[in-house]
Amino acid sequence: GESVGLHLPTLSVQEGDNSIINCAYSNSASDYFIWYKQESGKGPQFIIDIRSNMDKRQGQRVTVLLNKTVKHLSLQIAATQPGDSAVYFCAEDSTTSGSRLTFGEGTQLTVNP
Amino acid sequence: DTGVSQDPRHKITKRGQNVTFRCDPISEHNRLYWYRQTLGQGPEFLTYFQNEAQLEKSRLLSDRFSAERPKGSFSTLEIQRTEQGDSAMYLCASSRGLGVMPQHFGDGTRLSIL
Repeated sequence: GESVGLHLPTLSVQEGDNSIINCAYSNSASDYFIWYKQESGKGPQFIIDIRSNMDKRQGQRVTVLLNKTVKHLSLQIAATQPGDSAVYFCAEDSTTSGSRLTFGEGTQLTVNP
Repeated sequence: DTGVSQDPRHKITKRGQNVTFRCDPISEHNRLYWYRQTLGQGPEFLTYFQNEAQLEKSRLLSDRFSAERPKGSFSTLEIQRTEQGDSAMYLCASSRGLGVMPQHFGDGTRLSIL
């Protein structure tokens, strides 16, 4: 079936480094993508979104890149901090899916001081 | 706090019992969603409402599950005759408007079946 997945289950970085979390999707009808951060015992927290008519979007310390040609999404976190340690999920939606988000399995980001 | 609120945060019950969870969405959001998340996995869609109308249900939502949003504000999710496999985190999310918009999640209800 069509799904959204992540390349790496874990990512460990040093404090202050930049982090890149990748995501591959297979549903060519997807036209909306979201990155969420989930800390232990909490719900997913919205980080940033991007629509398919864009290939880059920037927020505070975060950048999302979308490559529709190879169905690839990435989240870049600048100057990673210990508070960034969490599981990161990408999720996709499309106007034909009835607004159900499809999530990948997540990447555990660990920031070492 | 004006975020999505879920109650209770934790529920422990014996197999075969019925449980009900409540979700209060962000006040101006007309769409409300339920998801289920098991350990190490991403959330899986269960159902969603546009105002009081339940517009879509996943095949994960067996006939033991029922969701309501009677006045288009808060929602309840009931599980009847609970089974071990129902143990999970049940997440509620809400969003505004029509079309695809960011969904904002609550902190969930963790259900444990003994």
